[in-house]
Formats: sequence, C-alpha cells, structure tokens
Amino acid sequence: AQKITQTQPGMFVQEKEAVTLDCTYDTSDPSYGLFWYKQPSSGEMIFLIYQGSYDQQNATEGRYSLNFQKARKSANLVISASQLGDSAMYFCAMREGWEASGSRLTFGEGTQLTVNP
Amino acid sequence: EPEVTQTPSHQVTQMGQEVILRCVPISNHLYFYWYRQILGQKVEFLVSFYNNEISEKSEIFDDQFSVERPDGSNFTLKIRSTKLEDSAMYFCAGAWNPGADDTGELFFGEGSRLTVL
Repeated sequence: AQKITQTQPGMFVQEKEAVTLDCTYDTSDPSYGLFWYKQPSSGEMIFLIYQGSYDQQNATEGRYSLNFQKARKSANLVISASQLGDSAMYFCAMREGWEASGSRLTFGEGTQLTVNP
Repeated sequence: EPEVTQTPSHQVTQMGQEVILRCVPISNHLYFYWYRQILGQKVEFLVSFYNNEISEKSEIFDDQFSVERPDGSNFTLKIRSTKLEDSAMYFCAGAWNPGADDTGELFFGEGSRLTVL
C-alpha cells in the first residue's frame, strides 16, 4: 500500500484565490511527521510546512496552512492568495518515528500546481 | 544561513562509467541521505547514513551504489558502473540538529543531474 497518496496530478487556480492540495497517508506508527515541499521548475526542494502527529493545532506558515485530519489520515496543504510564483510541483511527505529518529521521508507522487493570471 | 551544497550540478557520462556525486551537508546535522528523482517522477529514497555507517537503504541501492563520508564533511554517492536508468536528479539531504527546535525536516541540496548516455 502507498504510504503517501496525492490524488491530484495537476491543479489550476486563479491568481489571488486559495487552493487545496490533497494528501492522505498510511502508517501504524503513533509518532510521525508530515511535510510539504515545493519544487519549482529549477528543481530544488523547498520546505514549506510541517505537522507533527501529536500537534493539537493545524500548522500555519504565512500563506501556507496544513489541514490535518488525523482520523481521516489526511494532511492537505492550503495555499491562500495564490501568486504566480506558486506555480510548481508540490510534494507531500511523511516521516515515521519521532523527530530525532532520522527516519527517511517517504514522498507522494506530487501535484503540479499552475497559477493563472 | 547554512545550506547543503552539491557538485557537480550536472554530469553527463557514458554507460558503464563510474560517477561520484559530492555533497557538503550542514555541519550540525547528524543524519544524511541520498534521494533520486527520475524526470517527472516522485522523489525516491536511496540511503541514509548515520554515525559513519549506512542506517537504511532502499531496494534501489544495490551493489552498484556506495556512500561514504571520508573526511567528516563531504558525503559522497558513488555509482560504480552507470546504466541508462540511472539518469536522474540526485539529491543530498541532511537532518536533525540536536539542541535546536528541529522537526526532523530534511534540508536538501540543489541536486546533481546525472545523464547517462
């Protein structure tokens, strides 16, 4: 079974609107972390936001927020007020185990977001 | 701000040749990783390295691959005899800074693009 599932290969959004990128995960480990990375066309991997499995509040970082629904095992990324520079590939990833475990991240297939002017 | 640096940024090689990809991780990190991304596909884990030895490797990381950290700074990935299917972007990453407010996020380098002809 896939550990990270991103069901939207491509998404389109109008500039200044909000967009939600879906991510579901599968793990039996009670301690885990969920990450979103952005990969622009230049290829680098840019960390956006993190949610720990024990965090009570949904994570927020500027225009990025993570809609964490633990019972549903989903960790959707919400980008508010989209900008043209947000056009990129977005990857959801999971670490199983606690923060200092050094466990690898497992990535989803990614969602290509295009922001239209 | 410290960053992970990788060299070369792009290497073209003939099938069967040996390739060494180099990385200088952030000095405070304890865990080091190599990931690869075949063009248009997801980011795949290759190997993790901790305390001067491999801590985990994927099924992709066969006998053709090796890693070492010979001088405590450079972290290298060697592919002994390259195949066409080794063409990919290879990312080095580091994680976990003890004593810091660390989520276990991976800090990625900008990648080394390998093209095997």
